[in-house]
Amino acid sequence: EADIYQTPRYLVIGTGKKITLECSQTMGHDKMYWYQQDPGMELHLIHYSYGVNSTEKGDLSSESTVSRIRTEHFPLTLESARPSHTSQYLCASSEEGRGLETQYFGPGTRLLVL
Amino acid sequence: DQQVKQNSPSLSVQEGRISILNCDYTNSMFDYFLWYKKYPAEGPTFLISISSIKDKNEDGRFTVFLNKSAKHLSLHIVPSQPGDSAVYFCAASVLRGNEKLTFGTGTRLTIIP
Repeated sequence: EADIYQTPRYLVIGTGKKITLECSQTMGHDKMYWYQQDPGMELHLIHYSYGVNSTEKGDLSSESTVSRIRTEHFPLTLESARPSHTSQYLCASSEEGRGLETQYFGPGTRLLVL
Repeated sequence: DQQVKQNSPSLSVQEGRISILNCDYTNSMFDYFLWYKKYPAEGPTFLISISSIKDKNEDGRFTVFLNKSAKHLSLHIVPSQPGDSAVYFCAASVLRGNEKLTFGTGTRLTIIP
């Protein structure tokens, strides 16, 4: 069973607020990812990291930022939330050299910006 | 431009029958394909995968077929069970690239008891 956690699970927040979505994994995986998914739509990769101090932007442009100071932790931050940021955010991790099947997903954070 | 397409947003199948979920892709560089299953309020979980050097991969009740010339893959579930009711995502990747996954929009499968 995958040990990857996301908090909060649900968040309702007002426009302009700064928010940080937490993602942690206890598997020692080097690679971590953030996906954004709107209802009925595909998962879009917005950020990824191949290890500590490594962060890259994904295929979908996002106003969010990420950091990777520790292997197990990959938080995503929105400096000023807007209604257009309302979505589900999924974090994932995988082990270097172990193949794509080992990309484990967290339960997601559903964000609603009013 | 959507590179991985799942044209059926939903599918209902009688319990015990075969469920067939379809996926099309446009990027000929994709050489590895995966199916994920997602229950409400949970993240996707890996189900089965197939490399482009194969045309079929089987794991218990789940079989994935790949037709490279048609850029089409399908997931067969037989026999279908109520616990199979979920959203199924097709994903593709270029293995020798950066191993990023490109997902389809998902198909919601409902198994009718």
